[in-house]
Amino acid sequence: RKEVEQDPGPFNVPEGATVAFNCTYSNSASQSFFWYRQDCRKEPKLLMSVYSSGNEDGRFTAQLNRASQYISLLIRDSKLSDSATYLCVVNFAGSSASKIIFGSGTRLSIRP
Amino acid sequence: DVKVTQSSRYLVKRTGEKVFLECVQDMDHENMFWYRQDPGLGLRLIYFSYDVKMKEKGDIPEGYSVSREKKERFSLILESASTNQTSMYLCASSLGEGQPWSEQYFGPGTRLTVT
Repeated sequence: RKEVEQDPGPFNVPEGATVAFNCTYSNSASQSFFWYRQDCRKEPKLLMSVYSSGNEDGRFTAQLNRASQYISLLIRDSKLSDSATYLCVVNFAGSSASKIIFGSGTRLSIRP
Repeated sequence: DVKVTQSSRYLVKRTGEKVFLECVQDMDHENMFWYRQDPGLGLRLIYFSYDVKMKEKGDIPEGYSVSREKKERFSLILESASTNQTSMYLCASSLGEGQPWSEQYFGPGTRLTVT
């Protein structure tokens, strides 16, 4: 079982729709969580950190469920420009960067 | 605005060649990282450096080495390139302060093909 798993998609939704996807992690000692966005043929860029209490940034909401060991990303009123691959990142307990694990990404495609 | 640059966008090398990939960041970040990204496998950490002349192995260090002689520059070296090292290589940096998992800024990537 992978340490961090994401549904690869693609999720194909109409503009204006709400879409959500999850990322599960296997290590219960995980400490910090992030969502990155990666456009086609571009480098990943931080979208948002995920806090225990959940957090919102405009149309984007991130949630953490420690009991079930997953994080989620919700996108409301989706735009064409939201089309990208979304990577979740989990940092396990410890001081070494070798514990930084990227998911393989969920591909999102917004259609007009 | 943080800028991370990589020496080449595309590179083609032959099996057995020694390959150098250079990465430079301009924000005085302490931490620098090298990843490779392959379809279906996501980003995998090769090596990490949290200070000049310091390095730590990531998940897949075999066949690679690194060098950090100056704070702003982190080099990835393929001692003897092999076809299974064909991949997209991404460099990243982050602020530091004992938090290697703070926001990482990525370079544009180098697509390396080994023939």
